[in-house]
Amino acid sequence: AQSVAQPEDQVNVAEGNPLTVKCTYSVSGNPYLFWYVQYPNRGLQFLLKYITGDNLVKGSYGFEAEFNKSQTSFHLKKPSALVSDSALYFCAVRDGNSGNTPLVFGKGTRLSVIA
Amino acid sequence: GAVVSQHPSWVICKSGTSVKIECRSLDFQATTMFWYRQFPKQSLMLMATSNEGSKATYEQGVEKDKFLINHASLTLSTLTVTSAHPEDSSFYICSATPPRGRDEQFFGPGTRLTVL
Repeated sequence: AQSVAQPEDQVNVAEGNPLTVKCTYSVSGNPYLFWYVQYPNRGLQFLLKYITGDNLVKGSYGFEAEFNKSQTSFHLKKPSALVSDSALYFCAVRDGNSGNTPLVFGKGTRLSVIA
Repeated sequence: GAVVSQHPSWVICKSGTSVKIECRSLDFQATTMFWYRQFPKQSLMLMATSNEGSKATYEQGVEKDKFLINHASLTLSTLTVTSAHPEDSSFYICSATPPRGRDEQFFGPGTRLTVL
């Protein structure tokens, strides 16, 4: 069975500072990892994914994430935070060896960027 | 490309009535769609997997007679909340599996259901 842990309910960062939103995962097979962002009363928007290849993945809006197999982590990062980045962020995983299976989500981390 | 829509975006209904929520893939065909439920300040919980032309697969604890799912075509899945009660009030989100060659799922904008 797959699972995702996002250890922080809330992350606060000053505008212009780097941000990190943490995610660790557990999956029996090949991890397919995703980050999504959700704005209030909206659906989820895809940010980036790791399937294979380079451990550092670059995505939308200047976000990136680093896949670390030994630590089973996939932390989301951005070098310089914007106030508009304030939202709810979800990490998700599925087993790449299991075909068309649904994503398993972490509980979400609320990012607040302060001007 | 790969846009998923939901209708309605919000609905308010009286207790005991039924509500239908539509999920459409606008520019691709989706053999599989997923229905999630999200409570305030919580994560998405998978309710069921909807497969075109066959019965939906429900997660443990989800009442299939209460949450009726129909996936009649490759671009449309519907979720009907039957005999809705206030505890069914929630944010319902669907997602569709991508066209061949894409791995991420595409999510609809969600439907806010409020049962009075």
